[in-house]
Amino acid sequence: GAVVSQHPSRVICKSGTSVKIECRSLDFQATTMFWYRQFPKKSLMLMATSNEGSKATYEQGVEKDKFLINHASLTLSTLTVTSAHPEDSSFYICSASGRATYEQYFGPGTRLTVT
Amino acid sequence: QKEVEQNSGPLSVPEGAIASLNCTYSDRVSQSFFWYRQYSGKSPELIMSIYSNGDKEDGRFTAQLNKASQYVSLLIRDSQPSDSATYLCAVNFGNEKLTFGTGTRLTIIP
Repeated sequence: GAVVSQHPSRVICKSGTSVKIECRSLDFQATTMFWYRQFPKKSLMLMATSNEGSKATYEQGVEKDKFLINHASLTLSTLTVTSAHPEDSSFYICSASGRATYEQYFGPGTRLTVT
Repeated sequence: QKEVEQNSGPLSVPEGAIASLNCTYSDRVSQSFFWYRQYSGKSPELIMSIYSNGDKEDGRFTAQLNKASQYVSLLIRDSQPSDSATYLCAVNFGNEKLTFGTGTRLTIIP
């Protein structure tokens, strides 16, 4: 099956600092990658969709200057949370899709805690 | 507004019985349907995809799609305690994104 990795799995940072999360598709070329966040016991919330080599498309209400997304290659996308604040603490999950069937394969997630 | 609806549960099923999870969606032109399993504290895992009307079986899992009635279901036969998780229904409404339901929490009782 398709494998997506995410790094780091857990990060604690101080308020005001920036954190970068990497998402890699290991055994397929991901034409599209997605970034989600999920609060405890809540639904997945799509933050943005990114296609290789083009700017990410952000969902309504998601600040593009705060959540910087780069999809530089067919196997790597990064999410940078800039000037993080405690309310940004959440579970961030990426997914990748490389096929016309629209199947998305999720990375293991990154648990961000901002102190 | 394209929507995907699931009963949030919790749904409790005795071990060895059949668990039945249901999902309805709002747009008749939808073509792709998915079931994901999410354990507590983990990310979702794709367990079934279905694209045409009828049943699709994979091991103990069967996905059923009825486009006329706009519902998709997941049956889990011979339920095991390890099946206890939240099951997310996802639908592709014609663009590259998936719309997820809020999930049904399933508990298998030993």
